[in-house]
Amino acid sequence: ETGVTQTPRHLVMGMTNKKSLKCEQHLGHNAMYWYKQSAKKPLELMFVYSLEERVENNSVPSRFSPECPNSSHLFLHLHTLQPEDSALYLCASSQDPYPNYGYTFGSGTRLTVV
Amino acid sequence: SQQGEEDPQALSIQEGENATMNCSYKTSINNLQWYRQNSGRGLVHLILIRSNEREKHSGRLRVTLDTSKKSSSLLITASRAADTASYFCATPIIQGAQKLVFGQGTRLTINP
Repeated sequence: ETGVTQTPRHLVMGMTNKKSLKCEQHLGHNAMYWYKQSAKKPLELMFVYSLEERVENNSVPSRFSPECPNSSHLFLHLHTLQPEDSALYLCASSQDPYPNYGYTFGSGTRLTVV
Repeated sequence: SQQGEEDPQALSIQEGENATMNCSYKTSINNLQWYRQNSGRGLVHLILIRSNEREKHSGRLRVTLDTSKKSSSLLITASRAADTASYFCATPIIQGAQKLVFGQGTRLTINP
């Protein structure tokens, strides 16, 4: 366990479904991130939250909607996804929003859109 | 945009040998980080080297940084089967908020 917990580990959803990914950290970190990892592509940063405020939205389609109710929890709400959205979604946290320290990652949610 | 690029993309060696992976980046940085990812899992932070450091050690890991060449290397000595994983370098960039940008990684296979 890294201290960052992601649920569920695996998710299969239809294109018309609505689902949510959850990330939880108990490390006292102030910043949280969503990354997308697709096959044969670099990790893509999706969203950055610092002290519960979204500070970065990296041109992500509106079918992905993040939510950060407090500094320990981060959600990614999914709606009307496309098959190309199938990927490993990784949550990470860090001590502060400036990458002067390492990030701690969760184990990821493997999403398959059918 | 991609900041770090690892080389080689894949590396296969025998157990006990040393593995060297390289990373090149484009812009000025204040630190560079290396991560490991076992198949289908999250990334694990290995080591961070600051821009005023030239070399850093952690166990069997040795990282070097050459800011004049904008490059870094990760050396794993006396490799073990458990070292089989993908290795990524990551560098901070400033585009809006500061954030870590990852390369595509080096897939390392240690053969018994």
